[in-house]
Amino acid sequence: AQKVTQAQTEISVVEKEDVTLDCVYETRDTTYYLFWYKQPPSGELVFLIRRNSFDEQNEISGRYSWNFQKSTSSFNFTITASQVVDSAVYFCALSEGASTGNTPLVFGKGTRLSVIA
Amino acid sequence: DAGITQSPRHKVTETGTPVTLRCHQTENHRYMYWYRQDPGHGLRLIHYSYGVKDTDKGEVSDGYSVSRSKTEDFLLTLESATSSQTSVYFCAIAGGLSSYEQYFGPGTRLTVT
Repeated sequence: AQKVTQAQTEISVVEKEDVTLDCVYETRDTTYYLFWYKQPPSGELVFLIRRNSFDEQNEISGRYSWNFQKSTSSFNFTITASQVVDSAVYFCALSEGASTGNTPLVFGKGTRLSVIA
Repeated sequence: DAGITQSPRHKVTETGTPVTLRCHQTENHRYMYWYRQDPGHGLRLIHYSYGVKDTDKGEVSDGYSVSRSKTEDFLLTLESATSSQTSVYFCAIAGGLSSYEQYFGPGTRLTVT
């Protein structure tokens, strides 16, 4: 069975600090996809990144970076030099691969990040 | 942004009444999903569709039914609403083999009194 665990329920940091959001997943499939979504206070869900199970290369996008480690079943998200606009709930999600196409997402419970000016 | 709309955006209804939520997409994507979001639970899958008239149940499907008679619309029906169905409902779409990302609609806040 699939499972995603985000152990950090809430994190509070001061602006310009770096912060890492943890995500640990469980799956029996060898092909799967990992995602991060951002939900700002306005409520919409914003797609941030997708990672394939066969590509462990870390990714950087501006102040955002993601560290994918299959050995520890983790897909952690780091925000460098945090800003108030980063305040949101962040969700990690997992989708198992299927030869027929897309499969539903299994979400973690989310981490609420508050960045204080 | 993916073209996904949900209607209504907010609804208050009484226990025992039927409610239908609509998800409409303009992307011609094959896959559509209904999730509910509740505090402490993240998002959980209710039902999903992998084509017109092709649907399947998710983790929390009890008390819900869905229909998809055309590619662009995916309807979620609460046959007899209960207070436990008070939630925020999100629709998502995905394009299939060439696009595994799911893009979400703006959500519908449903309150059952």
